[in-house]
Amino acid sequence: AQTVTQSQPEMSVQEAETVTLSCTYDTSENNYYLFWYKQPPSRQMILVIRQEAYKQQNATENRFSVNFQKAAKSFSLKISDSQLGDTAMYFCAFMIPNAGNMLTFGGGTRLMVKP
Amino acid sequence: GAGVSQSPSNKVTEKGKDVELRCDPISGHTALYWYRQSLGQGLEFLIYFQGNSAPDKSGLPSDRFSAERTGGSVSTLTIQRTQQEDSAVYLCASRPGLAGSGELFFGEGSRLTVL
Repeated sequence: AQTVTQSQPEMSVQEAETVTLSCTYDTSENNYYLFWYKQPPSRQMILVIRQEAYKQQNATENRFSVNFQKAAKSFSLKISDSQLGDTAMYFCAFMIPNAGNMLTFGGGTRLMVKP
Repeated sequence: GAGVSQSPSNKVTEKGKDVELRCDPISGHTALYWYRQSLGQGLEFLIYFQGNSAPDKSGLPSDRFSAERTGGSVSTLTIQRTQQEDSAVYLCASRPGLAGSGELFFGEGSRLTVL
């Protein structure tokens, strides 16, 4: 079974600063996808960024980037130039394609961006 | 519609009553998922539908929970004889199919409160 662990229940950052959210996972698979989802107070989960395990290059989406360390099974999210609208719950998630296809989620990190 | 639609947005019920939660996925999406999110927690997988295949019910917590998907589109999650521990947000998500990016598109959820 796959597990996803987010060791930081809550974090805060000053507006315009940089923050890194941690995620580790456990799997014996070699091919998989990793995701970071954001859940604002509206409850709707929104994809922030995704990474295919076979790609060595770290994914980047504007102010969001990941540090994917496959051997260490680590997948951290870096948010640069934090904005008030980044305040939300952030969930790390894992999927094995074509094998159930369900997302396994971590417990989440509540991020507060302070003005 | 443009996104995943869930109803009702909020439901308050008395212990022992049955409830039905509805999910209308994005048109053309063949895969549909139900997740449960207890207060301040991560997402717990409940059930997964893919096309005409038999659903993956491995996440359903008890036989009081059931789900169906009619015509490959709308899905209904039914909880019989509700208990207080069933109180949670029930999230529905869909994706185009087995191929693609693996991204799930989520609705805003149905918040269930069992008194």
